[in-house]
Amino acid sequence: KQEVTQIPAALSVPEGENLVLNCSFTDSAIYNLQWFRQDPGKGLTSLLLIQSSQREQTSGRLNASLDKSSGRSTLYIAASQPGDSATYLCAVITDSSYKLIFGSGTRLLVRP
Amino acid sequence: NAGVTQTPKFQVLKTGQSMTLQCAQDMNHEYMSWYRQDPGMGLRLIHYSVGAGITDQGEVPNGYNVSRSTTEDFPLRLLSAAPSQTSVYFCASSPRQGALGTNSGANVLTFGAGSRLTVL
Repeated sequence: KQEVTQIPAALSVPEGENLVLNCSFTDSAIYNLQWFRQDPGKGLTSLLLIQSSQREQTSGRLNASLDKSSGRSTLYIAASQPGDSATYLCAVITDSSYKLIFGSGTRLLVRP
Repeated sequence: NAGVTQTPKFQVLKTGQSMTLQCAQDMNHEYMSWYRQDPGMGLRLIHYSVGAGITDQGEVPNGYNVSRSTTEDFPLRLLSAAPSQTSVYFCASSPRQGALGTNSGANVLTFGAGSRLTVL
C-alpha cells in the first residue's frame, strides 16, 4: 500500500530564506506527483505536477524535483515571502484509477 | 466563473442524523471526487466519479453514498452520521482525465473551499 510522508510537519523561517520541503513515498511505481498549497479555511491549489519520467518542474520561485528510485520529492521555494505561509501537501497517483494519495502536509510560516 | 462550489460551509449534526453535502462545478469537468481531511492524516479519498452515471469507491467509503446524475453535481450523503465522520470535506474536479504519466492539465484537480462537519 502506497504511503506518503512529509517531514517536517511544521517549519518557520525568516523572510528571504530559501527553503526545501520534503515528500517521500513507499512505492516507486507512480504515474505522477503533485504539490498543492492550502491556505487556512480554504481548499487546495495545485502548484506543480511532475510526471513519472521527469526530474523536475519549475514555476516562478518554486522548483519541484522527483527521484522515483529513492521515493523522494522536494519542493524548493526561493526567496521566501510572508505570503508563502500556508500548508504544502504532496500527492501521488500510483495506478490507473487516478486516485491521489496525499501526505499530511508541512505547515510553513515565513516570518517578516 | 465559480469553479467548484460546496455547500454548506459549516454543519453540526447529532449522531444518527442524515444530511447531504452538495458539490457543483461549472467547468464541464468529467471527473469529480470527495475527500475528507483529518488532523495529521492528510486527505483521504471517499468516492469518485469519472462521468455522469458512474461512481466508484475510494479509500474510506464506508458510511457515505454518492450519485452522479448530471455532469455538474456530485452530492455526498451521510445516511446516519457518526462522531467519526467529524471532519472537513473537500470536493474536487478535473477535466476528462489525461493520459497517466503526462503533464496534461487534465490531471490537475480544482478543489472547493471545503465543508466543516461536526457530529455530536
